[in-house]
Amino acid sequence: AQSVTQPDARVTVSEGASLQLRCKYSSSGTPYLFWYVQYPRQGLQLLLKYYSGDPVVQGVNGFEAEFSKSNSSFHLRKASVHWSDSAVYFCVLSAGNMGYKLTFGTGTSLLVDP
Amino acid sequence: EAAVTQSPRNKVAVTGGKVTLSCNQTNNHNNMYWYRQDTGHGLRLIHYSYGAGSTEKGDIPDGYKASRPSQENFSLILELATPSQTSVYFCASGEGTGRALYFGAGTRLSVL
Repeated sequence: AQSVTQPDARVTVSEGASLQLRCKYSSSGTPYLFWYVQYPRQGLQLLLKYYSGDPVVQGVNGFEAEFSKSNSSFHLRKASVHWSDSAVYFCVLSAGNMGYKLTFGTGTSLLVDP
Repeated sequence: EAAVTQSPRNKVAVTGGKVTLSCNQTNNHNNMYWYRQDTGHGLRLIHYSYGAGSTEKGDIPDGYKASRPSQENFSLILELATPSQTSVYFCASGEGTGRALYFGAGTRLSVL
């Protein structure tokens, strides 16, 4: 069985501060992992993806994430947030090349105080 | 530049009416998907397709049909719309089995 846990439903940070959004996963196979961002009344936009290799992956707009097999985690980070980063962030897990199914986390709503 | 385009963006339908949601992708991806997003349920997979002519049932297919007439186009059809189908619908195309999806901007459907 696959599952994704985003333990923080809401996070508030000040503009210019660093950010970490947490994601824990459970997968029976080799996981493929993604972070998506959703702005109000828009679709989900891919921030970054991890298939294999270097555990630190770089994404768009200064975001990065680190895959940890030992901790079953894929946390999202950004060194300095901007007010425009306010959005909902989803951690997503796939079963790799074993199937089509994606498992979505419940999302973390990020508010950046200007 | 938008690679996955959905139409219409907003739709109001009457109960019992037929609704067709359209999706076009220019990513040249084989896989396409239809999801709905509801508060408290997150994103749920309705139908997906591996290529032109194929459609597969997702997790919540009841009340929905899908059509994939070409590589680029994937439609979701509600033959007899019900108020419970009021939702935001997202189409996506995929790099391959298990790989990243690229979503459209969504269609907000209200069934009255």
